[in-house]
Amino acid sequence: DIQMTQSPSSLSASVGDRVTITCQASQDISNYLNWYQQKPGKAPKLLIYDASNLETGVPSRFSGSGSGTDFTFTISSLQPEDIATYYCQQYDNLPPRLTFGGGTKVEIK
Amino acid sequence: QVQLQESGPGLVKPSQTLSLTCTVSGGSISSGGYYWSWIRQHPGKGLEWIGYIYYSGSTYYNPSLKSRVTISVDTSKNQFSLKLSSVTAADTAVYYCARALLVPARLGYWGQGTLVTVSS
Repeated sequence: DIQMTQSPSSLSASVGDRVTITCQASQDISNYLNWYQQKPGKAPKLLIYDASNLETGVPSRFSGSGSGTDFTFTISSLQPEDIATYYCQQYDNLPPRLTFGGGTKVEIK
Repeated sequence: QVQLQESGPGLVKPSQTLSLTCTVSGGSISSGGYYWSWIRQHPGKGLEWIGYIYYSGSTYYNPSLKSRVTISVDTSKNQFSLKLSSVTAADTAVYYCARALLVPARLGYWGQGTLVTVSS
């Protein structure tokens, strides 16, 4: 089974800071990597798909990069409304299954 | 706009079967192109994929839950369902239904989630 290691598990940053979260797969997953934002009491929301594609309607300060085993999610300028937990998710097609990273809780300093 | 809504009992006794239904509106399950998914989140914890079903009835389950999980689809009602047998307190969680685009799967639409508590 493919394991996803997401880090850090939490971070605190100031408004306007650049925030970076990483996700590492235990084996090559090509670009089958998505990123979600979850605010307290709400369902997760898809932000980035296929490692680097911005979902429609998502602000451009969010971005993703990487392929193979190492992936990065970036908020270029942290805003108060970005306070949430962020999850990476990989897709394995043999057999089809999904695996989530452990999550990163982002707080304002 | 596709919408998903979970429904079912919020309290289940230990050893019984948890049953939830997800009703889809704004799109047809039978149109193909998507996996209809169940995901859960233990209180204060991360997300766990339970499994998904294609409109044809093909199912794929998380190996860690496979022996207890059944996902089914009712295209006439535009619904899909989750059954989890022999539940324990460890199955207490918020359960989400979601739509996953086929390969590579991404979860673009989610229900609001429903808390299921396992307790006597």
